[in-house]
Amino acid sequence: AQSVTQPDIHITVSEGASLELRCNYSYGATPYLFWYVQSPGQGLQLLLKYFSGDTLVQGIKGFEAEFKRSQSSFNLRKPSVHWSDAAEYFCAVGGRFSGNTPLVFGKGTRLSVIA
Amino acid sequence: NAGVTQTPKFQVLKTGQSMTLQCAQDMNHNSMYWYRQDPGMGLRLIYYSASEGTTDKGEVPNGYNVSRLNKREFSLRLESAAPSQTSVYFCASSRETNEKLFFGSGTQLSVL
Repeated sequence: AQSVTQPDIHITVSEGASLELRCNYSYGATPYLFWYVQSPGQGLQLLLKYFSGDTLVQGIKGFEAEFKRSQSSFNLRKPSVHWSDAAEYFCAVGGRFSGNTPLVFGKGTRLSVIA
Repeated sequence: NAGVTQTPKFQVLKTGQSMTLQCAQDMNHNSMYWYRQDPGMGLRLIYYSASEGTTDKGEVPNGYNVSRLNKREFSLRLESAAPSQTSVYFCASSRETNEKLFFGSGTQLSVL
């Protein structure tokens, strides 16, 4: 079974600074990987996903993530954070060969943006 | 496109009352899910339905029941609500169970 860890519960960055949110997964093969964002009072929205191919994936809102097999990681990055990026971010992993097993979500990282 | 629609958006119950949360999707997805979200706990899967006619327990199924009424609809029932069930509930759907999920806007449930 797959699992995912987001080591940082809360991160605060200054507007305009770069951002990296960490995600580590456990799965016996190359997984499906996702990042979701949840703005206050809203449902979750998909930022980007990795299925195969290029290990650097681009998403919406200027986000990107890099799949590193050797580190079992899928960290989310953004070069310059905007105040509107303040939200909660969830990493999720899906098993490529898991049949009907649903995605597993991390516990989330809350991002605060200060002026 | 409506996507995933869940009702109600807000609900207050007294301990012991029952209620059903409704969820419908218009994307012809095979799989549907119910999650609860609590501070510091992330999203926890309550039940899911990999395909029409099947349902399976997730991480926290106790105190809940589900019905996959048809391919579009997946309901969550609390038979006897408890304060521990105070949470935000999300319905989601996906084409297959290991593909990207589409989420509803959530139901804020308070049990007094």
